[in-house]
Amino acid sequence: EDKVVQSPLSLVVHEGDTVTLNCSYEVTNFRSLLWYKQEKKAPTFLFMLTSSGIEKKSGRLSSILDKKELFSILNITATQTGDSAIYLCAVLEYGNKLVFGAGTILRVKS
Amino acid sequence: DSGVTQTPKHLITATGQRVTLRCSPRSGDLSVYWYQQSLDQGLQFLIQYYNGEERAKGNILERFSAQQFPDLHSELNLSSLELGDSALYFCASSAGNQETQYFGPGTRLLVL
Repeated sequence: EDKVVQSPLSLVVHEGDTVTLNCSYEVTNFRSLLWYKQEKKAPTFLFMLTSSGIEKKSGRLSSILDKKELFSILNITATQTGDSAIYLCAVLEYGNKLVFGAGTILRVKS
Repeated sequence: DSGVTQTPKHLITATGQRVTLRCSPRSGDLSVYWYQQSLDQGLQFLIQYYNGEERAKGNILERFSAQQFPDLHSELNLSSLELGDSALYFCASSAGNQETQYFGPGTRLLVL
């Protein structure tokens, strides 16, 4: 059965800290891995990763994919209270099925 | 604001009833996806339509059905509702068949 596992389930940090969120996967027909941020309502897109070893960066957020070891990490540097959210990892399979992990709850304290 | 709209925002109904959730994709997007998010199951893919045709099916129950209309808006029909159907239902859209998906604000369904 296809699965996406995220760790940690939850973490609390102080503003300014750097965090690393992990996502490992076992899927049959991997196409891409996506990261989303979910605050009060809908998930918002962060990154799509298709190739191994190429870091994607957006401001203080960055992510990289390792297709050999079947995992991805999402880094957030100099965290701010506005980074508090649930971070979702999802794998897009050929056939258009998107399989989500359970998410990591991040809380940034001021 | 992703550009994807969903109505209604909230829906409260009774067991056994039927409801229709509506989604308008971002302008120009041909694909619409439906997801269910509940506390115990997380985010689950239900079904995808591309330019009016069903393209992929996930964990969608027989009691649920969807369609995409010529103007590309989509409706998700939930019938014979059960308490366990209470969840947040998201619609997402993408430009093509394998592109990044952008999520709507969701419809919160409560079945009493």
